[in-house]
Amino acid sequence: GQSLEQPSEVTAVEGAIVQINCTYQTSGFYGLSWYQQHDGGAPTFLSYNGLDGLEETGRFSSFLSRSDSYGYLLLQELQMKDSASYFCAVRADTGKLIFGQGTTLQVKP
Amino acid sequence: GAVVSQHPSWVICKSGTSVKIECRSLDFQATTMFWYRQFPKQSLMLMATSNEGSKATYEQGVEKDKFLINHASLTLSTLTVTSAHPEDSSFYICSARRMQDSGNTIYFGEGSWLTVV
Repeated sequence: GQSLEQPSEVTAVEGAIVQINCTYQTSGFYGLSWYQQHDGGAPTFLSYNGLDGLEETGRFSSFLSRSDSYGYLLLQELQMKDSASYFCAVRADTGKLIFGQGTTLQVKP
Repeated sequence: GAVVSQHPSWVICKSGTSVKIECRSLDFQATTMFWYRQFPKQSLMLMATSNEGSKATYEQGVEKDKFLINHASLTLSTLTVTSAHPEDSSFYICSARRMQDSGNTIYFGEGSWLTVV
């Protein structure tokens, strides 16, 4: 089976740093992706980790440890516009994404 | 950048009717497209993998006779919800993998809101 676990909700204040964890158990693994989704919109790609380690893209970083079946998304210098749902997704096959349940991030002033 | 377009963005249909949603890759060819469904406040659930020129591969629990998928060309996949019921009301979204990519880049459509009344 396939399962991805991530916290359902996280709250933080503007300017803070927040880490959203994701553990996975899947039958195939070709990398871990992170997506942001605002209410009513389509998911927006944030980052992808195919190998162990840290990937940095601006204020967002993502980490993967394949031996631990674990990854996280790190958001720095939080802004109000970062309030959204964040999904980790395992690439179980070429192009096929299995999504976690999503973490709702609420950024407060 | 690569663009995937879905149409319609919003659709309301009567219970018992069928509705078709189109997913087009506008500036690239996609041998494989994926269809997801998302209920409010929930995650995206993969429904099926749409392969150009062949039958779609459905995920467990998805009724293939109810959710008809056709991938007639390298730029178009369609999802038809047949005999729609109110419980089919959901956000349907497609994604596509560009042929020349290694598979690490997926492009999502804008999504289609279906309301069955």
